[in-house]
Amino acid sequence: DQQVKQNSPSLSVQEGRISILNCDYTNSMFDYFLWYKKYPAEGPTFLISISSIKDKNEDGRFTVFLNKSAKHLSLHIVPSQPGDSAVYFCASFTGNQFYFGTGTSLTVIP
Amino acid sequence: DTGVSQNPRHKITKRGQNVTFRCDPISEHNRLYWYRQTLGQGPEFLTYFQNEAQLEKSRLLSDRFSAERPKGSFSTLEIQRTEQGDSAMYLCASSLGVGGKNIQYFGAGTRLSVL
Repeated sequence: DQQVKQNSPSLSVQEGRISILNCDYTNSMFDYFLWYKKYPAEGPTFLISISSIKDKNEDGRFTVFLNKSAKHLSLHIVPSQPGDSAVYFCASFTGNQFYFGTGTSLTVIP
Repeated sequence: DTGVSQNPRHKITKRGQNVTFRCDPISEHNRLYWYRQTLGQGPEFLTYFQNEAQLEKSRLLSDRFSAERPKGSFSTLEIQRTEQGDSAMYLCASSLGVGGKNIQYFGAGTRLSVL
């Protein structure tokens, strides 16, 4: 049951430009969303989160937008840097169940 | 290092053998989670503990999988009678579990290869 979906397996962006990673979800009970970043041979690292009572949360170069009516969230990275090249996962949970998307591999080209 | 620690990092075993992985969470975290990740997929939730209580285990993949957290500190994940399909990365995470934020911090994982 893929309740969190990332439909773009990969994304390439020029250094300095904006990266936009998208995530869709199906469960209306989700009320908190997280983005994780994963480098090879490491575990996922928490990046940024958003509560369903907000539609935007910003932390430095990273901004997450939530559109509850569309059940869609996006992560904006601006400006993108080569060190941002990694796999990005969106995640959410409800009750005792936790769900991750399949990930988007971001490549930032110098 | 005060992060989540997983051992071993790699495990190679023959089909039919039992394997056990260990996870040491961040010391002040009372919640501990196990996930499985296969190539091209996101982490797949298996089970989690609050202190020593296993609050959710319905997502364990079969009755060959079991997890314990006997003293509310470290945890073990055991797979009995391993099958080739069990080959994957097994991730552990921990969190404070306070309020709704529930930010999970992950270890580097144990990569299992079943021959």
